[in-house]
Amino acid sequence: NAGVTQTPKFQVLKTGQSMTLQCAQDMNHNSMYWYRQDPGMGLRLIYYSASEGTTDKGEVPNGYNVSRLNKREFSLRLESAAPSQTSVYFCASSKGPNEQTQYFGPGTRLLVL
Amino acid sequence: RKEVEQDPGPFNVPEGATVAFNCTYSNSASQSFFWYRQDCRKEPKLLMSVYSSGNEDGRFTAQLNRASQYISLLIRDSKLSDSATYLCVVDHTGGFKTIFGAGTRLFVKA
Repeated sequence: NAGVTQTPKFQVLKTGQSMTLQCAQDMNHNSMYWYRQDPGMGLRLIYYSASEGTTDKGEVPNGYNVSRLNKREFSLRLESAAPSQTSVYFCASSKGPNEQTQYFGPGTRLLVL
Repeated sequence: RKEVEQDPGPFNVPEGATVAFNCTYSNSASQSFFWYRQDCRKEPKLLMSVYSSGNEDGRFTAQLNRASQYISLLIRDSKLSDSATYLCVVDHTGGFKTIFGAGTRLFVKA
């Protein structure tokens, strides 16, 4: 039982490049989330998926797109990376809309030059 | 004003000390409250939920004051392994607008 897994662990991009961050959970959770964490700031919600087949914007969605591929997988895509997107990205999952305990993946450290 | 505010610290305490962290939140409609722990370069993990009547989990005690809109975490008999960042978390939408504080850094020294 791996919990929440994320790939890659580290990535360096040049401005304008695109990439997809992958996330998968094996806990049969309904809800999944993408956050970014920057120094001196709390985690900020980028997008979330309340259940398979639905996605919604969070606090900071600009520059990102998501896909809930199936119940297990939720990917985050940067279409044209910018230096402001340099951050640590965390994926999380929870049992459902009214179960607030979230389980986080190990994070992806992204540097955009 | 940030929705959830915490003293960033760092708090430097000796082993065995008692240390308290406070957190204030701005949305009076907030329904659920949590403390998460985050080790250096690791993911956040739930430490404990915070209930209206206050609750304990071993050496950790959490309190909620709705009237003043603050949450506290008390750690007794600090251990070296308690060194981490503690995140105050507030939710008022059933999970989808969870707000994380920036965290309070704790260093416990031998």
